Amino acid sequence: QSVLTQPPSVSAAPGQKVTISCSGSSSNIGNDYVSWYQQLPGTAPKLLIYDNNIRPSGIPDRFSGSKSGTSATLGITGLQTGDEADYYCEAWDTSLSAGVFGGGTKLTVL
Amino acid sequence: QVQLVESGGGVVQPGRSLRLSCAASGFTFSTYGIHWVRQAPGKGLEWVAVMSNDGNKEYYADSVKGRFTISRDNSKNTLYLQMNSLRADDTAVYFCAKDRCSGGTCFYDSWGQGTLVTVSS
Repeated sequence: QSVLTQPPSVSAAPGQKVTISCSGSSSNIGNDYVSWYQQLPGTAPKLLIYDNNIRPSGIPDRFSGSKSGTSATLGITGLQTGDEADYYCEAWDTSLSAGVFGGGTKLTVL
Repeated sequence: QVQLVESGGGVVQPGRSLRLSCAASGFTFSTYGIHWVRQAPGKGLEWVAVMSNDGNKEYYADSVKGRFTISRDNSKNTLYLQMNSLRADDTAVYFCAKDRCSGGTCFYDSWGQGTLVTVSS
């Protein structure tokens, strides 16, 4: 199982809001910034959020990130069918000296 | 624009070796660390290894430590992953990803399209 824990799936209707949680420990999220990646079906991952809550240019402000202690959250508002994808959190683990990902969360926009 | 192109994937028997390459363009290759991240069929992302920009530091996931070796040739703008003693559970799409660091932490701001490695007899 993954070092970072995410719910396997979330769903919501178009236009609604959804949050995806990412739980870790003091050696990863508690000691580092969190980044989030979106992976559309059949494509490479794409950076969505870095340094817990910063959006790269080109990422709409419907996407937001936050962190508290050893957990992080990705929020998506105004859901669109094009947001259907797998979402992953990531941080560096100082105990492992390795990058660690969450298991991924599949977002379904009903 | 930044481009990362992986190559070298294919079908290999258990116990054999394979070397992957990641050719980079559109940025100053020697300035950035580059990572390998893999994804088994139908599974999530798994970080594999990273080499620092100058080649002086390398880190590995426990699952590949002692079997995989990451290296880079900054004169050729290319990153490599030498994979030895391959096992069935190494079957995955392997992505290379460029990192960007700020405030003491790094994240992956550009990814290649991936190359598929299948370990099977």
